[in-house]
Amino acid sequence: DGGITQSPKYLFRKEGQNVTLSCEQNLNHDAMYWYRQDPGQGLRLIYYSQIVNDFQKGDIAEGYSVSREKKESFPLTVTSAQKNPTAFYLCASSIQGGNTEAFFGQGTRLTVV
Amino acid sequence: DQQVKQNSPSLSVQEGRISILNCDYTNSMFDYFLWYKKYPAEGPTFLISISSIKDKNEDGRFTVFLNKSAKHLSLHIVPSQPGDSAVYFCAASWGTSGSRLTFGEGTQLTVNP
Repeated sequence: DGGITQSPKYLFRKEGQNVTLSCEQNLNHDAMYWYRQDPGQGLRLIYYSQIVNDFQKGDIAEGYSVSREKKESFPLTVTSAQKNPTAFYLCASSIQGGNTEAFFGQGTRLTVV
Repeated sequence: DQQVKQNSPSLSVQEGRISILNCDYTNSMFDYFLWYKKYPAEGPTFLISISSIKDKNEDGRFTVFLNKSAKHLSLHIVPSQPGDSAVYFCAASWGTSGSRLTFGEGTQLTVNP
């Protein structure tokens, strides 16, 4: 079955710790994205990558980092510099080029205590 | 600067009636528009899209209308079913941005039996 897998579904971390969220896809998509959702708000773009070994900042990249060493994988690290890390994080992928939909994973709920 | 806006946080309709969800945008560069459906603690799923060269696209019970002069689009669901109850997000992109989507805040649709 083709799809996007995010793990874990729920994650708890202490304040001040870095944490890495996993995202894997087997759809053979070139482009991958990380979004964040907060209550009452739409999805906001954190980082995106259109090709392996390349990525760009989205609208709210501060306090986050990513890597794209393999086509299938696009992990997101939430660093201690992120002021409000508690949120629902969504990974997506799409074919390269315009006018196409993105496919989303099931999300990771991160709670920082 | 909210480039995609969904001004109604919630909408309640009776089963069998029409649901109309609205979305406005400000960026005239947008040329591709999408609607996603989202259940709590899950990733969004793609519903329907429309290119800016069209003013209507239909898929079963779902129809999207685009009014470029008014920078407005709407999603019509006919007939509405209780299983349609979810949050609906409007999203937009433009040619070179690929699937770098800009999302609205979402509208919670409740279909009452």
